[in-house]
Amino acid sequence: DAGITQSPRHKVTETGTPVTLRCHQTENHRYMYWYRQDPGHGLRLIHYSYGVKDTDKGEVSDGYSVSRSKTEDFLLTLESATSSQTSVYFCAISPGVPNEQFFGPGTRLTVL
Amino acid sequence: QKEVEQDPGPLSVPEGAIVSLNCTYSNSAFQYFMWYRQYSRKGPELLMYTYSSGNKEDGRFTAQVDKSSKYISLFIRDSQPSDSATYLCAMTPGGTSYDKVIFGPGTSLSVIP
Repeated sequence: DAGITQSPRHKVTETGTPVTLRCHQTENHRYMYWYRQDPGHGLRLIHYSYGVKDTDKGEVSDGYSVSRSKTEDFLLTLESATSSQTSVYFCAISPGVPNEQFFGPGTRLTVL
Repeated sequence: QKEVEQDPGPLSVPEGAIVSLNCTYSNSAFQYFMWYRQYSRKGPELLMYTYSSGNKEDGRFTAQVDKSSKYISLFIRDSQPSDSATYLCAMTPGGTSYDKVIFGPGTSLSVIP
């Protein structure tokens, strides 16, 4: 496995609470991505980062924010969780071009 | 119409069968085509990727791209129970850092011993 960890691996929270998911890599890759995976939709890009403090929005960024203060860490924050954000969240890293992405083990988030 | 379409299955085959997994797409700008394998409750892992049209072989796996038809395929020869997983196709316009990868919804495959 590429050196990617995600924490927590499972989380149950209530509507309206803030949630932060962490992605940590030991590969020193420049690019990091957050995806969500839902039945029938496949993987959809939420936000991505192309360097420390450099981030951009993906396809489904509403309700999410990200931060990257160090090369190895990429945080995804749900400011006020909603039930529609119940999903499996995957972090991915890439050394350069986006066609070679390596995924973490995922975080299963349930918003009640 | 979604940018990338993939039959979700489930697809069930006997051990040893040849499996064909397919995706169609609508964006003619896509140049890089990838296949990922995802076991249950795990992250996707990159199986192989190809550039533009043509075939690429890696062991029991062959990826085929037909850009004129906007159609890609993954063939698995001598399928094994360990191949049981969801297969995701993915594609992106080019090799630059800012190009987004678009994933298909995945096809669930079961190989029966």
